[in-house]
Amino acid sequence: DIVMTQSPDSLAVSLGERATINCKSSQSVLYSSNNKNYLAWYQQKPGQPPKLLIYWASTRESGVPDRFSGSGSGTNFTLTISSLQAEDVAVYYCQQYYTTPYTFGQGTKLEIK
Amino acid sequence: EVQLVESGGGLVQPGGSLRLSCAASGFTFSNYWMGWVRQAPGKGLEWVANIKQDGSEKYYVDSVKGRYTISRDNARKSLYLQMNSLRAEDTAVYYCARVLLSGWFDPWGQGTLVTVSS
Repeated sequence: DIVMTQSPDSLAVSLGERATINCKSSQSVLYSSNNKNYLAWYQQKPGQPPKLLIYWASTRESGVPDRFSGSGSGTNFTLTISSLQAEDVAVYYCQQYYTTPYTFGQGTKLEIK
Repeated sequence: EVQLVESGGGLVQPGGSLRLSCAASGFTFSNYWMGWVRQAPGKGLEWVANIKQDGSEKYYVDSVKGRYTISRDNARKSLYLQMNSLRAEDTAVYYCARVLLSGWFDPWGQGTLVTVSS
């Protein structure tokens, strides 16, 4: 199974500042035939289901604010929130869909400093 | 509006069974893979199972193989999860989700809570 490890486990950032969450996979999720990284990011607010933010590691889902961006390739990925807003307080998860069993990172809890 | 609504959760004793349902609306259900993801209380997300558009392919996480069965009824636009031989560690909120293209989930239902306890 591909193990997804996020860092840090929790993060406190001031409003308007940049937040960076890392995700590392135990093996590459880059599919050589199409040069795509099989990696998605989700946001989960308390009491709500997860919401898709990014797929293919860097493609923003429609309607997601452009302060959210994804980057990385192979085994190392990053979710960046360029200017933190109060409504961004949530737990963020990465997920690989390169192979079953699909696996998620343990989550990163983002709070306001 | 794309919508997924789960039902069927509840309290069940260890060793018991439960069947979850997910009603889909707002999209052509038969065109999409569908899946179940669960979240134990206060914990992270765990993929449980996926099913192909016509039900011909099904995939499960090892921990539920032989105990859970995913199925669908395209005429009823519904997804199901039959859960047998339930264990305490199966306690979780179970989310139904549409699987897009190669495997990301969007959207997710609100979830249904399954509690396995005596």
